[in-house]
Amino acid sequence: GENVEQHPSTLSVQEGDSAVIKCTYSDSASNYFPWYKQELGKRPQLIIDIRSNVGEKKDQRIAVTLNKTAKHFSLHITETQPEDSAVYFCAASPRTPLVFGKGTRLSVIA
Amino acid sequence: GAGVSQSPRYKVAKRGQDVALRCDPISGHVSLFWYQQALGQGPEFLTYFQNEAQLDKSGLPSDRFFAERPEGSVSTLKIQRTQQEDSAVYLCASSTGQGTTEAFFGQGTRLTVV
Repeated sequence: GENVEQHPSTLSVQEGDSAVIKCTYSDSASNYFPWYKQELGKRPQLIIDIRSNVGEKKDQRIAVTLNKTAKHFSLHITETQPEDSAVYFCAASPRTPLVFGKGTRLSVIA
Repeated sequence: GAGVSQSPRYKVAKRGQDVALRCDPISGHVSLFWYQQALGQGPEFLTYFQNEAQLDKSGLPSDRFFAERPEGSVSTLKIQRTQQEDSAVYLCASSTGQGTTEAFFGQGTRLTVV
């Protein structure tokens, strides 16, 4: 089955700097790659997703890139703000259901 | 409703007790998923329904875990004879279709087995 690896497990950045989180997946049939943000004690919420027919997608300060050949995808957050502090999860879907990475705890230091 | 609703939000069970966790998906969502999230970990898949049919239960850790969705809307996850290792947050998610559509999560039920 699908296996998703996520790195790093923790990440601290200064406010205004960029943050990059990377994920790899194992099943070449995966065609949908969402990213979820989970604040402490709250539900995971989708922040951006990308499908396999696209190499990059951007939404304001957030972007995701996908390299299908290498089977990896990354989340880029620019101009980080304290409210970006949370746990971020990547996921991959060869078919239902989503398979999640173990998460990255991002801390933005003011 | 406005989103996926789960109840109870918190449940403390004595070891050996049976528990039932409820999920109300977004109205009209065909797919419903249950995930288990241990502290500091990502959601781990338990089981998946399409309407009332349970299409995948490969993630259920033991035969003490049972899920149902008899009318294709509300779902219940039941855990029999709870054990300490069952302590986790149980997340329910729903979506309009299969894997390539956004999954909306509920706030979860935090189960603590003492």
